[in-house]
Amino acid sequence: DQQVKQNSPSLSVQEGRISILNCDYTNSMFDYFLWYKKYPAEGPTFLISISSIKDKNEDGRFTVFLNKSAKHLSLHIVPSQPGDSAVYFCAASHGGSQGNLIFGKGTKLSVKP
Amino acid sequence: EAQVTQNPRYLITVTGKKLTVTCSQNMNHEYMSWYRQDPGLGLRQIYYSMNVEVTDKGDVPEGYKVSRKEKRNFPLILESPSPNQTSLYFCASSPTPFGRQYFGPGTRLTVT
Repeated sequence: DQQVKQNSPSLSVQEGRISILNCDYTNSMFDYFLWYKKYPAEGPTFLISISSIKDKNEDGRFTVFLNKSAKHLSLHIVPSQPGDSAVYFCAASHGGSQGNLIFGKGTKLSVKP
Repeated sequence: EAQVTQNPRYLITVTGKKLTVTCSQNMNHEYMSWYRQDPGLGLRQIYYSMNVEVTDKGDVPEGYKVSRKEKRNFPLILESPSPNQTSLYFCASSPTPFGRQYFGPGTRLTVT
């Protein structure tokens, strides 16, 4: 049973436009969410996180929105740049099982010049 | 430079031959974790450790062992590797489980 779902395997966006990556989760106990970016042949790098007590967190061009009632979060990248082309992973954890981080399968973002 | 190192980066081995993938971090992080990445399956957690001598199973622990005898090192042990353990493995560390994790460069393992 997949607890964290990224239903879009890939996304293509024009440079300068907004990229929206989506993530759904099924476990209502999740209370902390993270986004990671991964380039080929490298380890994932942390992008941004959000606690369940918030519904939005912003860091530069990256904003994460959390809709707890819908069990949905999204990552917005504005404006998108070619260097943003990578695989993006959504991850979730909950305090009752500290340390157990559940990742989605990833979405490959391509930003075209 | 703050980093997580893994060795070896690439390994081809045969079924049943015990191997160890080392992981070391120089950031004094308490939390460390191992993941495997497979096509179409994303990242799946194998084991994690909240601190020295404290380890726990992740989602896919079968066929793996870990130890945490000192804070900086968290080796992954495959006692009897099988072809279904062919994968890309990542080690990660962070100050807490909820903080940003720093990932190593990955170890590509092939078991024939």
